[in-house]
Amino acid sequence: GESVGLHLPTLSVQEGDNSIINCAYSNSASDYFIWYKQESGKGPQFIIDIRSNMDKRQGQRVTVLLNKTVKHLSLQIAATQPGDSAVYFCAETRGGKLIFGQGTELSVKP
Amino acid sequence: DSGVTQTPKHLITATGQRVTLRCSPRSGDLSVYWYQQSLDQGLQFLIQYYNGEERAKGNILERFSAQQFPDLHSELNLSSLELGDSALYFCASSPRGSSYEQYFGPGTRLTVT
Repeated sequence: GESVGLHLPTLSVQEGDNSIINCAYSNSASDYFIWYKQESGKGPQFIIDIRSNMDKRQGQRVTVLLNKTVKHLSLQIAATQPGDSAVYFCAETRGGKLIFGQGTELSVKP
Repeated sequence: DSGVTQTPKHLITATGQRVTLRCSPRSGDLSVYWYQQSLDQGLQFLIQYYNGEERAKGNILERFSAQQFPDLHSELNLSSLELGDSALYFCASSPRGSSYEQYFGPGTRLTVT
């Protein structure tokens, strides 16, 4: 399939290990922070969000952590699977718009 | 499958030309968003329509325009195309006026030669 082709930070993990993808944001006034996943040849897909007044939110196999002190957001994926291979984007809401970060490419080795 | 459809899937055209990209949102969604994804700029928000009206504008060039029709489908018009306009163009939809949980279509890959 087609790839975005960006020079992205990459993370390579072994199948079954946990993955941690990090993101720095700039706007302290953002209400929500969101993670999207983009598989090769597809559009981004919503994974999980966290409101700015929360520190942690858990979903199915994913956890998002928000550290407002250092403006840092992370996505943890438990028991990473080959199907998790994709580019992961963090995004923040700003004036009703979604502002996306550059993305991290996750590669899962079998 | 997100339920958002985009046509065409691929488009190759020459500099100076004009093209129209089409998007059909998920059934019942009133908001449509357009994004450009390029090698050097990442995923950039262009414009949002809600129930036929422009709701928000991002880094959209004056050569680009969009509209949302009464049946809620949307078109993005790109004119006086330049080489730098080559990119993936995504449409997304959401049921509400301003939502961060958006459903993206498969994209249109535009190549300007």
